[in-house]
Amino acid sequence: AQSVAQPEDQVNVAEGNPLTVKCTYSVSGNPYLFWYVQYPNRGLQFLLKYITGDNLVKGSYGFEAEFNKSQTSFHLKKPSALVSDSALYFCAVRDTNYGGSQGNLIFGKGTKLSVKP
Amino acid sequence: ETGVTQTPRHLVMGMTNKKSLKCEQHLGHNAMYWYKQSAKKPLELMFVYNFKEQTENNSVPSRFSPECPNSSHLFLHLHTLQPEDSALYLCASSQRLGEKLFFGSGTQLSVL
Repeated sequence: AQSVAQPEDQVNVAEGNPLTVKCTYSVSGNPYLFWYVQYPNRGLQFLLKYITGDNLVKGSYGFEAEFNKSQTSFHLKKPSALVSDSALYFCAVRDTNYGGSQGNLIFGKGTKLSVKP
Repeated sequence: ETGVTQTPRHLVMGMTNKKSLKCEQHLGHNAMYWYKQSAKKPLELMFVYNFKEQTENNSVPSRFSPECPNSSHLFLHLHTLQPEDSALYLCASSQRLGEKLFFGSGTQLSVL
């Protein structure tokens, strides 16, 4: 079955330190991978995506993600965290199964990022 | 603003009520979605419409009834809900299926 796992419910980081939010996936075929962020009382916002090409993908607000095929991972990173980065982060993979669900995004359960001053 | 507007932002209803959630997008997108977000659980895809045709119903109970009258509007009709249906209901749209999603701010639903 196709799935996304975010092993950490919460990540705590001090402002100015690098941050990593982990994501692993299981999908047949080539994965299309996404990261979304959700600020309090808001819907999800697109951060970045990987479809093909360079394994390091750059996105909004200084975030980047590294695609690692051998480890089936797509971890989100930022070199220097800001307090304003505190939010809920979701990893997603595009469903590649044939049938009605093909093309839909499968989301992880989310990781709460807390950046302290 | 993402271009996807949901109303109301908050809704409290009893188990015998009938209410509707509304979603509107003017992005020219062809696909629209309803998701359910509960704490510490993956987002649950409920319904998908592509060019106004329903393409997905993820085993959602019949007390949730979607309606897509045109490519810009999506409704979720609610009837005799249960307390466990309390959640944040998110609407999203995309140019095509499987592409970048644009989400509304959601409707926080409480069923008493």
